[in-house]
Amino acid sequence: DAKTTQPPSMDCAEGRAANLPCNHSTISGNEYVYWYRQIHSQGPQYIIHGLKNNETNEMASLIITEDRKSSTLILPHATLRDTAVYYCIVSAANSNYQLIWGAGTKLIIKP
Amino acid sequence: KAGVTQTPRYLIKTRGQQVTLSCSPISGHRSVSWYQQTPGQGLQFLFEYFSETQRNKGNFPGRFSGRQFSNSRSEMNVSTLELGDSALYLCASSSWTASSEKLFFGSGTQLSVL
Repeated sequence: DAKTTQPPSMDCAEGRAANLPCNHSTISGNEYVYWYRQIHSQGPQYIIHGLKNNETNEMASLIITEDRKSSTLILPHATLRDTAVYYCIVSAANSNYQLIWGAGTKLIIKP
Repeated sequence: KAGVTQTPRYLIKTRGQQVTLSCSPISGHRSVSWYQQTPGQGLQFLFEYFSETQRNKGNFPGRFSGRQFSNSRSEMNVSTLELGDSALYLCASSSWTASSEKLFFGSGTQLSVL
């Protein structure tokens, strides 16, 4: 079973910020939080990852709670091209265990 | 840098046949992992290769096999195809490990078994 819990679907208006939550209450101290997204019929695309501090890159921001039991991916100005399934995954650095992918959140950006 | 290349993009086979899929990783990447994606089961890990050795394996029957060549290119083979093998097969590459680094995925091979 996946180690994360995400809502199955969300809507967001174009131009607004999309906030995607992820619960990972059993996360271990050495596990990172990764976010990927998959646009229909394409391979998943890496977005961002973090350990305990908030992270930002050109695609998104990642906010991790202080107890690390949950996180939020923020797409600051959503566009129609951000419509995709977003996956939140936890994994330890240098781990030999494969990533376990849950069902993700289907994000639909509406004009 | 060129991305991960998977060939062919689409494939149609009949039950009982076998199929070979190919994956060329990003230059310099040594880890290649394979995934099966179906609407009902989502993304499931098949196996990972690193420096020509299988390093990790998911819960799939022995009909699913793979290999990696010295140039890091990888192939996966499915023998005695079943209808349930119809899926999108994805390949991902990374520098060291498929479990804790950024993965770069190809566009996948859509396999249909009739």
